[in-house]
Amino acid sequence: KNQVEQSPQSLIILEGKNCTLQCNYTVSPFSNLRWYKQDTGRGPVSLTIMTFSENTKSNGRYTATLDADTKQSSLHITASQLSDSASYICVVSGTGQNFVFGPGTRLSVLP
Amino acid sequence: EPEVTQTPSHQVTQMGQEVILRCVPISNHLYFYWYRQILGQKVEFLVSFYNNEISEKSEIFDDQFSVERPDGSNFTLKIRSTKLEDSAMYFCASKGQPNSYEQYFGPGTRLTVT
Repeated sequence: KNQVEQSPQSLIILEGKNCTLQCNYTVSPFSNLRWYKQDTGRGPVSLTIMTFSENTKSNGRYTATLDADTKQSSLHITASQLSDSASYICVVSGTGQNFVFGPGTRLSVLP
Repeated sequence: EPEVTQTPSHQVTQMGQEVILRCVPISNHLYFYWYRQILGQKVEFLVSFYNNEISEKSEIFDDQFSVERPDGSNFTLKIRSTKLEDSAMYFCASKGQPNSYEQYFGPGTRLTVT
């Protein structure tokens, strides 16, 4: 069964600190993996997109890694800001329109 | 910057009633999607739409759901006879090119069925 799991479920960090969020998936065949940021009550906003051949991709303070062999990805946030408080969702796509969303990690950045 | 818009932002309806959720995708995009997110749960894919027809749909998208692109700008999701369990946020998304993985999401419509 195609699944995407994320950990931790929630995370609290202090402003300025770094953090890493994890995503494990069983989607096969694999096409691409996306990380989204979702503010409460809003639509997801794309942070990074990686295909099979990409190991890492950065977008400002966000850096995503992908290990297609172990089917794992991580999202590293550097020098966190209060505005980083949100849910971070890992989405894995297989063939066609087979989008599988993870449950998200809820990040709270405290002053 | 172009963005996907959705109306209304919040819709309250009684069980058994029909609702139509509206989306205006980014103007030059060709691929359109509907997702839903039940409160506290993960986002779920409902349907994708291209070239005026459904290209793929999930198990959730049963006969009570339908989609339409009635004109050159709007993309609608109709729920024929709403049930309590249809209460959720409904997100529309659009994509430009066939070989692009980037989808742009709208702000969502919160549907409450009473």
